[in-house]
Amino acid sequence: QVQLQESGPGLVKPSQTLSLTCTVSGGSISSGSFYWSWIRQPAGKGLEWIGRFYDSGSTNYNPSLKSRVSISVDTSKNQFSLNLSSVTAADTAVYYCARGLVESYQLLNFDFWGQGTLVTVSS
Amino acid sequence: DIVMTQSPDSLAVSLGERATINCKSSQSVLYSSNNKNYLAWYQQKPGQPLKLLVYWASTRESGVPDRFSGSGSGTDFTLTISSLQAEDVAVYYCQQYYSSPFTFGPGTKVDIK
Repeated sequence: QVQLQESGPGLVKPSQTLSLTCTVSGGSISSGSFYWSWIRQPAGKGLEWIGRFYDSGSTNYNPSLKSRVSISVDTSKNQFSLNLSSVTAADTAVYYCARGLVESYQLLNFDFWGQGTLVTVSS
Repeated sequence: DIVMTQSPDSLAVSLGERATINCKSSQSVLYSSNNKNYLAWYQQKPGQPLKLLVYWASTRESGVPDRFSGSGSGTDFTLTISSLQAEDVAVYYCQQYYSSPFTFGPGTKVDIK
């Protein structure tokens, strides 16, 4: 069974960079059958897709966050990471990592999610 | 971006009764070349990872009880819980994966009446 676990600081100061890591167990992050994403959920609000990594180096980001987001991968540790720069209180949310399916070069639904980690932006 | 809406925001159903959740997309998520709807449903319980219930709008994920069923096509979709159990209390989300950015509905909270 694949498991994903988010980790990182729970408190980040405004204007700083939010950095989170997702550790994947039970499956290889290098598999071309999957892509790897970050999604967030502000308190009382809906889910927002942040970005994804797939195909040995390709990344896509939500245009609403593109200028501030980067996703990187460490295959040796079976981890992928999120950096979100210049954060404000609006970036306070539960951040999830998730695995998505790849089929015939199409990126499909998510099949496994982490439990999520709350990140609060506050001085 | 494709905007996903859900109705109702919340509903309370008696144990053993049917629960119906609706999801609507701002544009069709039916891919004509394969006649598949790029729509998934997830269940979220407090403190637990989101769980995939249904993909391709109507294909139940392995291990999901058969009381959960998805239906619909194009822009209008439904998740039905045929006989609500206590463990089904959760928030349910629809999500389109037809076009990027992938987007989610706002969620429907299901409770016991």
